[in-house]
Amino acid sequence: QVQLVQSGAEVKKPGASVVISCQTSGYTFINDPIQWVRQVPGQRLEWLAWINTGNGNSQTSQKFRGRLTVTRDTSASTVYMELTYLRPEDTGIYYCVREGAPVGATFDHWGQGTLVTVSS
Amino acid sequence: DIQMTQSPSSVSASVGTRVTITCRASQDISRWLAWYQQKPETAPKLLIYATSKLQSGVPSRFVGSGSGTDFTLTITSLQPEDFATYYCQQANSYPLTFGGGTKVEIK
Repeated sequence: QVQLVQSGAEVKKPGASVVISCQTSGYTFINDPIQWVRQVPGQRLEWLAWINTGNGNSQTSQKFRGRLTVTRDTSASTVYMELTYLRPEDTGIYYCVREGAPVGATFDHWGQGTLVTVSS
Repeated sequence: DIQMTQSPSSVSASVGTRVTITCRASQDISRWLAWYQQKPETAPKLLIYATSKLQSGVPSRFVGSGSGTDFTLTITSLQPEDFATYYCQQANSYPLTFGGGTKVEIK
């Protein structure tokens, strides 16, 4: 079955960087894009970035351009998200999601989420 | 960016009743709308995509409709396992955006 397994919770200081991994299995990795969504307490779900797992092309939300990078390792069926210059308001749960629905940029499978806490 | 407005923000309902949640887009998104269900401490789960297409394994009591800017999710007969928060998401253009959520609570 399709699985997306994310790396564990992180605690970081303001200004630091975090890398979250998303290891996929149960389907052909290069066939479906992986996206990243976060859930900050008290705010709505927020789309962060998208990567074409086949050719590596990616697109990042304008809000995070310059701070967020998404890459993939096809040999490991794994996607990585790096967020730099962390701020306390980046505290939240980060999800990798598969864009696998037959129609449209919708997310049929979700990772379990990675809690990132940014605090001095 | 396309703004997604959900209403109500919360609803209290009894098992067996009909619940309707609305989602309004700030511009025409055709039928590129999805609905997710989230229970506490878990990731959201896709219920409906492309306005009305039921994701595999989702019960038929979940019904989506609409087009353009106005959409609805109806739970035709609320079950105990349906108490959760529901989010709409537009899939028409980037950046993808979500509604603020509707919490369905037990009455």
